[in-house]
Amino acid sequence: DTAVSQTPKYLVTQMGNDKSIKCEQNLGHDTMYWYKQDSKKFLKIMFSYNNKELIINETVPNRFSPKSPDKAHLNLHINSLELGDSAVYFCASSQGPRIYGYTFGSGTRLTVV
Amino acid sequence: SQQGEEDPQALSIQEGENATMNCSYKTSINNLQWYRQNSGRGLVHLILIRSNEREKHSGRLRVTLDTSKKSSSLLITASRAADTASYFCATDAGSARQLTFGSGTQLTVLP
Repeated sequence: DTAVSQTPKYLVTQMGNDKSIKCEQNLGHDTMYWYKQDSKKFLKIMFSYNNKELIINETVPNRFSPKSPDKAHLNLHINSLELGDSAVYFCASSQGPRIYGYTFGSGTRLTVV
Repeated sequence: SQQGEEDPQALSIQEGENATMNCSYKTSINNLQWYRQNSGRGLVHLILIRSNEREKHSGRLRVTLDTSKKSSSLLITASRAADTASYFCATDAGSARQLTFGSGTQLTVLP
């Protein structure tokens, strides 16, 4: 049973396109996150979403938008893709990082050409 | 900006040896966590140590935390080839309920 699942695993698209990455967790966690990992493996928080409260990292372009249809899903929409958006995007969930760690999905490798 | 910086960036050891990785951070924290990432995979949570704890063990893992020096170390004893991975520290600071990750240490365990 996959705890945090992301689709697709690979995404290759042209500049200027709009794309979405889906994330679902079946753990009953109350908070979900999106992280971006660059080619040097730096992980940067993009968004966290808890009980309808969205926290956005100020460096994230507004072309990126998370959408949560319900507590188990946090999808990532990206408009007008740019070359610099190429990275691996990870979804994660937690029941509370003060006590528990995060459970990560397996990642989506986005390549913009 | 990265909250944590890890040292060394890369570490290569023989199977059976111990591996020590260090993490330094900048601000006061609620807790510090360590994660492992195998190549091409997601991160896996290893251990969480709270700011009022100094040492924690889990199997072959030993984590220490020195809040006065704003540093932590992860020791993997009797390493195995399967321990080959990147290891990241992450800090929970402030009220944002978000983890900030360090730059990672690439550990290679040679058989």
